[in-house]
Amino acid sequence: EIVLTQSPGTLSLSPGDRATLSCRASQTVSGRGSIAWYQQKPGQAPRLLISGTSSRATGIPDRFRGSGSGTDFTLIITSLEPEDFAVYHCQHYGGLVTFGGGTKVEIK
Amino acid sequence: MQLVESGGKLEQPGRSLRLSCVASGFTFDDYAMHWVRQVPGKGLEWVSGISWNSGSTGYADSVKGRFTISRDSAKNSLHLQMNSLRAEDTALYFCAKSGHYDFWSGSFDVWGQGTVVTVSS
Repeated sequence: EIVLTQSPGTLSLSPGDRATLSCRASQTVSGRGSIAWYQQKPGQAPRLLISGTSSRATGIPDRFRGSGSGTDFTLIITSLEPEDFAVYHCQHYGGLVTFGGGTKVEIK
Repeated sequence: MQLVESGGKLEQPGRSLRLSCVASGFTFDDYAMHWVRQVPGKGLEWVSGISWNSGSTGYADSVKGRFTISRDSAKNSLHLQMNSLRAEDTALYFCAKSGHYDFWSGSFDVWGQGTVVTVSS
């Protein structure tokens, strides 16, 4: 099982700032394995943002960018909009599914 | 595309509960399906997955041997039979659609709003 560690736990930023979220895997993500990112707002279900490490889901704005390989993966929000303040989860799939603990992006 | 869960309730430890999820707006038979749970204020935990044709299933170690996932193509529905419930099973349970037919592959591109399970005496 791949354990995912997200950092930081909380990110305090202002609208317009760049957000960099990290997701580190306990072993190399390779073969059929891949990383997805989800956004979750209070009282709502998670929403798929990124799959296959870097492919934006349908309707996701291009300010959301996923990247990474091996054990280190990153979600960057290039310029925070008011609606982007939420919790972000990374996920490993293509084998046993696991999730990271989440990063909360809050308004500074 | 929509997923609607039901069946969550307050139940005593050791008892059983069956969750259901009805799908609409997509070809249910073409995709794997999953259950994911979340304790309020905590992260997401994958619980179980089933392939498009029920040929393959998988479970988290925390529920293996107690929970059973199944699907009914005639009713476009997904189920989770939860036996020997424990206090640590208390959570919001989400139904989620995979983007792939095989439950080992694919991210989760459609989610329901969840149903609350509380296990307490």
